[in-house]
Amino acid sequence: QSALTQPRSVSGSPGQSVTISCTGTSSDVGGYNYVSWYQQHPGKAPKLMIYDVSKRPSGVPDRFSGSKSGNTASLTISGLQAEDEADYYCCSYAGSHFGTGTKVTVL
Amino acid sequence: EVQLVESGGGLVQPGRSLRLSCAASGFTFDDYAMHWVRQAPGKGLEWVSGISWNSGSIGYADSVKGRFTISRDNAKNSLYLQMNSLRAEDTALYYCAKDVKQWLLYYFDYWGQGTLVTVSS
Repeated sequence: QSALTQPRSVSGSPGQSVTISCTGTSSDVGGYNYVSWYQQHPGKAPKLMIYDVSKRPSGVPDRFSGSKSGNTASLTISGLQAEDEADYYCCSYAGSHFGTGTKVTVL
Repeated sequence: EVQLVESGGGLVQPGRSLRLSCAASGFTFDDYAMHWVRQAPGKGLEWVSGISWNSGSIGYADSVKGRFTISRDNAKNSLYLQMNSLRAEDTALYYCAKDVKQWLLYYFDYWGQGTLVTVSS
């Protein structure tokens, strides 16, 4: 089982939007609407940002949104802020679960 | 306040064993599935193992199947990971993580701070 594929890095200026993709197969991402996203700052534990593909836990800003099309899930950060600079991981219900991770840089 | 506190990590030689523990508080432990997730230095997250609320459903990553055993003691609000036949590639920070349901849904809403396991001679 291979990890879900994410871009190694994405970047954007403050206020811009960035989108992170998470590509799997019909056996994992494409087969279930159980996709979550995690934010991890250096030296810190991960934090749940999105679950059920597009739902936000309480306390997560609404500039974070999730979607899915076929075997690819996406996380979009709108109105990018300096504190959004972190690593982001997708996770699926099936398969190896976690994606390869994406570093978001705020320019 | 939900708290997950891992312990038991350390330096161990290849081929030896180690047992990790996770003490949970601030929630009804036996209402939720629990997991171990690890992160090798400078690398990404890797799900290791998960256990449902009543230990009826257990899963392992292929990389640890047959070597690691997850268990829980609901009376002690504790989660465990018995790691045998350790390899250098098992070196990582091991996180204890709480699921949002009784069964394995793989949504981790609370995490501990991790315990470091280093496998080296």
